[in-house]
Amino acid sequence: QVQLVESGGGVVQPGGSLRLSCAASGFSFSTYAMHWVRQAPGKGLEWVAVISYDGSNKYYADSVKGRFTISRDNSKNTLSLQMNSVRAEDTAVYYCTRDTWKNSYLFDCWGQGTLVTVSS
Amino acid sequence: AIQMTQSPSSLSASVGDRVTITCRASQGIRNDLGWYQQKPGKAPKVLIYAASSLQSGVPSRFSGSGSGTEFTLTISSLQPEDFATYYCLQDYNYPRTFGQGTKVELK
Repeated sequence: QVQLVESGGGVVQPGGSLRLSCAASGFSFSTYAMHWVRQAPGKGLEWVAVISYDGSNKYYADSVKGRFTISRDNSKNTLSLQMNSVRAEDTAVYYCTRDTWKNSYLFDCWGQGTLVTVSS
Repeated sequence: AIQMTQSPSSLSASVGDRVTITCRASQGIRNDLGWYQQKPGKAPKVLIYAASSLQSGVPSRFSGSGSGTEFTLTISSLQPEDFATYYCLQDYNYPRTFGQGTKVELK
């Protein structure tokens, strides 16, 4: 079945770095754009970044631009998010999601999320 | 960035009630809008895409309408499993933006 599994979350100090991964299975990963969405504790959903199916196009939220880098390895069915210069406000559960086109785009598959806590 | 404004931010309702949630976009987004349901501790789940299309497997009591700048999600007869938080999301352009959420609670 279609599945996304995030890993790599944990506690990181302000100014530090962390790399999140998302392992995809059950579908043709290399044909889908992929996104990261995050949710701070007790808050709403915030879109973070997207990468096109072949990795040639990337977009970021202003809040993470210049600090986070999204990437993918289609040979390993893996999506990544490199988080540098992290701040307290980056504390959140991070979800990877698949972008599907059906007359409009929708996030039709989500991982279970991985928690990132930025704290000294 | 396009701002998505949801209302209300929360509501109390009873099983069997008809519930309507509204989402307004700060500029026209055609019908490029989806609705997502999230339960505590779980990932969101898509209910509606392209403003009014029901995602496969979603009960028919959920419906969406609207185009341009104003959209609604309607639950025709609220069921116990529908108590959750609902978000709209525009997919018209980047950055994708969510509404702030509507928490549906038991009255």
